[in-house]
Amino acid sequence: AQSVTQPDIHITVSEGASLELRCNYSYGATPYLFWYVQSPGQGLQLLLKYFSGDTLVQGIKGFEAEFKRSQSSFNLRKPSVHWSDAAEYFCAVGRGSLDSNYQLIWGAGTKLIIKP
Amino acid sequence: DAGVTQSPTHLIKTRGQQVTLRCSPKSGHDTVSWYQQALGQGPQFIFQYYEEEERQRGNFPDRFSGHQFPNYSSELNVNALLLGDSALYLCASSLEGRSSSGNTIYFGEGSWLTVV
Repeated sequence: AQSVTQPDIHITVSEGASLELRCNYSYGATPYLFWYVQSPGQGLQLLLKYFSGDTLVQGIKGFEAEFKRSQSSFNLRKPSVHWSDAAEYFCAVGRGSLDSNYQLIWGAGTKLIIKP
Repeated sequence: DAGVTQSPTHLIKTRGQQVTLRCSPKSGHDTVSWYQQALGQGPQFIFQYYEEEERQRGNFPDRFSGHQFPNYSSELNVNALLLGDSALYLCASSLEGRSSSGNTIYFGEGSWLTVV
């Protein structure tokens, strides 16, 4: 069965420091991979997605993620975090047809805490 | 351009009662999915509606039912509420159809349901 693992429940990073959030997935076929951010009062916002092609994906707010098939990973990175990045981050894999009825299978999330 | 809107934002129900949650998809979207997010966990897929029919369903009991209207809006109904149904219920919308970049799923801010 498909599954997504985010090993870190919480991560604390100093403002201005680099960030890497880990995500591992289990999926039999070529995965569709996503990172979403969830902030209070703002719902879930898509940061970036990987469907095919270049394994390094650029997203919004300065985030990027790298798909590594050999490691079944899709880690999220940012070179310098800002206090406004404090939120919960979710990795997800899409199951189904890419152009229509895919559903998302989610990790448990990683809460990012920013130290001033 | 309005995004995905959900109502109500918060509600409290008693065990055994029934609840209806409502969702209006993003303008132009025709597919609506519902997810349940328990505290501290990632969302879980409940079901998806397209052309007023349930197209996919996750591992949820029949107490969870839904409906999609001709204007693509949707309702989620939960009967015989249990304490364990307390969660954030997220509505997501997307557009059916072929896209080389894949269809992005957009989320509403959710409806917080507390069962006491």
